[in-house]
Amino acid sequence: QKEVEQNSGPLSVPEGAIASLNCTYSDRGSQSFFWYRQYSGKSPELIMFIYSNGDKEDGRFTAQLNKASQYVSLLIRDSQPSDSATYLCAVRGYDYKLSFGAGTTVTVRA
Amino acid sequence: GAGVSQSPRYKVAKRGQDVALRCDPISGHVSLFWYQQALGQGPEFLTYFQNEAQLDKSGLPSDRFFAERPEGSVSTLKIQRTQQEDSAVYLCASSLFPGTGSHNEQFFGPGTRLTVL
Repeated sequence: QKEVEQNSGPLSVPEGAIASLNCTYSDRGSQSFFWYRQYSGKSPELIMFIYSNGDKEDGRFTAQLNKASQYVSLLIRDSQPSDSATYLCAVRGYDYKLSFGAGTTVTVRA
Repeated sequence: GAGVSQSPRYKVAKRGQDVALRCDPISGHVSLFWYQQALGQGPEFLTYFQNEAQLDKSGLPSDRFFAERPEGSVSTLKIQRTQQEDSAVYLCASSLFPGTGSHNEQFFGPGTRLTVL
């Protein structure tokens, strides 16, 4: 069973709307949670990380973590065409390894 | 400052050939990771170096895969007798510190796209 699951997508949202991305993980020992953005043909780029339950906001991005439900989400407010990319959820336990989900592709329609 | 660089960016190999993929991490970064990303999937961990020591190679799919980082900077991932299932993007990442420090962000290189015919 895959450790990290993401909603399959693709997700299409109009410009200015909120894009909501979800991720669940199976290892209750997971400690750190990351959202990476990957443009087509490019390398993953870290956009958010969260360690504690609750919300963390950074500009138009908000990460939400619920360890009891083993759930982490990413909200993108006021979506822009430049937000069109694949978003990867990654989880890390007590070691150094990142476990990635398969990614959710987001398309923002102008 | 330069980021993580990888070469070649694209590699086409005939089945059975050996290939070598290079990673130049960010200068001074202690930790170096190799990941394999198949089409439409997230990256999968292959191996981890702390300086020149390969501390974890649990993700290497077979004994045809070998990685080294002899001087604690540049790393090479070698694949012997390539097979079609080895076709993927191979990503290298580096981070400043060893271990799992809370701000120990992994910075990814652009990857090498390997196609095995």
